[in-house]
Amino acid sequence: LAKTTQPISMDSYEGQEVNITCSHNNIATNDYITWYQQFPSQGPRFIIQGYKTKVTNEVASLFIPADRKSSTLSLPRVSLSDTAVYYCLVGDLDSSYKLIFGSGTRLLVRP
Amino acid sequence: NAGVTQTPKFRILKIGQSMTLQCAQDMNHNYMYWYRQDPGMGLKLIYYSVGAGITDKGEVPNGYNVSRSTTEDFPLRLELAAPSQTSVYVCASSYPRGGATGEQYFGPGTRLTVT
Repeated sequence: LAKTTQPISMDSYEGQEVNITCSHNNIATNDYITWYQQFPSQGPRFIIQGYKTKVTNEVASLFIPADRKSSTLSLPRVSLSDTAVYYCLVGDLDSSYKLIFGSGTRLLVRP
Repeated sequence: NAGVTQTPKFRILKIGQSMTLQCAQDMNHNYMYWYRQDPGMGLKLIYYSVGAGITDKGEVPNGYNVSRSTTEDFPLRLELAAPSQTSVYVCASSYPRGGATGEQYFGPGTRLTVT
């Protein structure tokens, strides 16, 4: 399973775009990249998933370069309610039960 | 749909006591999981199940047991509680292979303290 590395914490201000980069040098051919968000006292919540290039949904975008050794979660115009921990996970869909959650990135959005 | 529900929300156990944490989902997901999350850390997989009657160990199974008699329920049993088992226990479920994206749906967690 590919190990992921993310910054421990990030600070931002309301209205800014936030980019959180995750490196996964050992990503395998069948691996997908998935991001989860977790608020205090809640379970994680799925944000976005991708395999290559760019994926966009109503809350975020995910940019994956051609070599797939890193990925960037982009949150447009963050608000205070985006303050949370963000986890990057890598794994193939057949082995979703083997997903490994690292310590994540703590994002603090200031007024 | 209620999604993934867990009971109780909080529990304090004395060393050596036992208890069962309940988890249920109403999304007809085949896959279910139990994680523990220590303060400031990510989740660690304790046990998982790919369907009724089938369970397997995750990363940190020692001190725990599970059973899966129905698709909906996946209880986690703690035998002889120890202080090292003080943690937040989070249950999750997902579609099987070939389903959606493998996205996991998480419950709100049970905060357990062993003293």
